[in-house]
Amino acid sequence: DIQMTQSPSTLSASVGDRVTITCRASLSISSWLAWYQQKPGKAPKLLIYKASILESGVPSRFSGSGSGTEFTLTISSLQPDDFATYYCQQYNSYSLTFGQGTKVEIK
Amino acid sequence: QVQLVQSGAEVKKPGASVKVSCKASGYTFTDYAIHWVRQAPGQRLEWMGWINAGNGNTKYSQNFQDRVIFTRDTSASTAYMEMSSLRSADTAVYYCARSSFYFGDYYMDVWGKGTTVTVSS
Repeated sequence: DIQMTQSPSTLSASVGDRVTITCRASLSISSWLAWYQQKPGKAPKLLIYKASILESGVPSRFSGSGSGTEFTLTISSLQPDDFATYYCQQYNSYSLTFGQGTKVEIK
Repeated sequence: QVQLVQSGAEVKKPGASVKVSCKASGYTFTDYAIHWVRQAPGQRLEWMGWINAGNGNTKYSQNFQDRVIFTRDTSASTAYMEMSSLRSADTAVYYCARSSFYFGDYYMDVWGKGTTVTVSS
């Protein structure tokens, strides 16, 4: 299976900060990567798919980039509603895998 | 609206089986796949596998293929996940989620709220 590694595991930031999360794949996955946001006690929510396409209804402060093995999720100006855990997920093959998650905390 | 409604929480003893349902509404059930993802307390999301709701074909993660069976009832627009030989490590929230079954579109755009399964003697 393709392994997905996110960094950092935890990130402390303030409202208004620019935040970047990295996700690395153990093999090339082209652009077959999605990003999800999860809040405590809630189901994940799709933010971005195909590495850079914003899901309908997701604020434009979220953006994704990358291809091959290295990807980033950027929040251009962190808002109070954005404090959550973020997961990347590859779908390059019939076996899907998630990263271990990045928790964005209030500084 | 498009939604997936899951069955309620379960408490099971070690060695027992559990069957979780996921009822789809607001879209054509057979046009999509249903994935199952679990999350143990404080842990990452773990993909368990998926079922093509159209033709019933399944794909299981190697971590679960010996103990899990996915089925669906197209007349009820419902997918099912059955896990056997439960152990305490299976205590988790189990989610169902929808994706296309076309290559390149396996991202999950609609999720159920999750079903808590507790395994305890």
